[in-house]
Amino acid sequence: GAVVSQHPSRVICKSGTSVKIECRSLDFQATTMFWYRQFPKQSLMLMATSNEGSKATYEQGVEKDKFLINHASLTLSTLTVTSAHPEDSSFYICSAPAGGASTDTQYFGPGTRLTVL
Amino acid sequence: QKEVEQNSGPLSVPEGAIASLNCTYSDRGSQSFFWYRQYSGKSPELIMSIYSNGDKEDGRFTAQLNKASQYVSLLIRDSQPSDSATYLCAVSVLYNFNKFYFGSGTKLNVKP
Repeated sequence: GAVVSQHPSRVICKSGTSVKIECRSLDFQATTMFWYRQFPKQSLMLMATSNEGSKATYEQGVEKDKFLINHASLTLSTLTVTSAHPEDSSFYICSAPAGGASTDTQYFGPGTRLTVL
Repeated sequence: QKEVEQNSGPLSVPEGAIASLNCTYSDRGSQSFFWYRQYSGKSPELIMSIYSNGDKEDGRFTAQLNKASQYVSLLIRDSQPSDSATYLCAVSVLYNFNKFYFGSGTKLNVKP
């Protein structure tokens, strides 16, 4: 299957700081990537759709000024959690559809565990 | 109403038994269906996809789709302790095929 990487895998930061998470498609191009958040013992919650060359689309209830998304190239999307607070501590996962527009199979990155002190 | 519904479990089966996981969805425009496995602390990994009515087999796994009943299931034969994980059902719809709707997942415990 297609490979999606994320960096960092784990980050601990102080409250009020900003954290950047990178998501890369390693062996395919992705015009669209997705960012999810998962709290313990809960399911994946879609936060936003990252679109290469245009603005991200945010799900209802997700603050676009707090979760900045930049899809800089066909293989890289970044999520920046600005002014992080302890309630932002979560498991952040990105995904990308492989194979272009004709297929919709999603491949997930390994996730980034964010802990805000 | 949630887009995708799953029983949260846990579903407990003995080693070697068949585990049956079920999922229902609400949007009749749904066209693609996926099962992902997620181990604790890890991201989901794709097990199977299914697009048309009927059964699709891959090794010990069989996905079953019934669009008329808006129902998709996953059967795991000869269950192993290593199959113990949370299984997520995901659905994409015709008008936005890249956007997935996930169920809340069913936790499976396979007891040795």
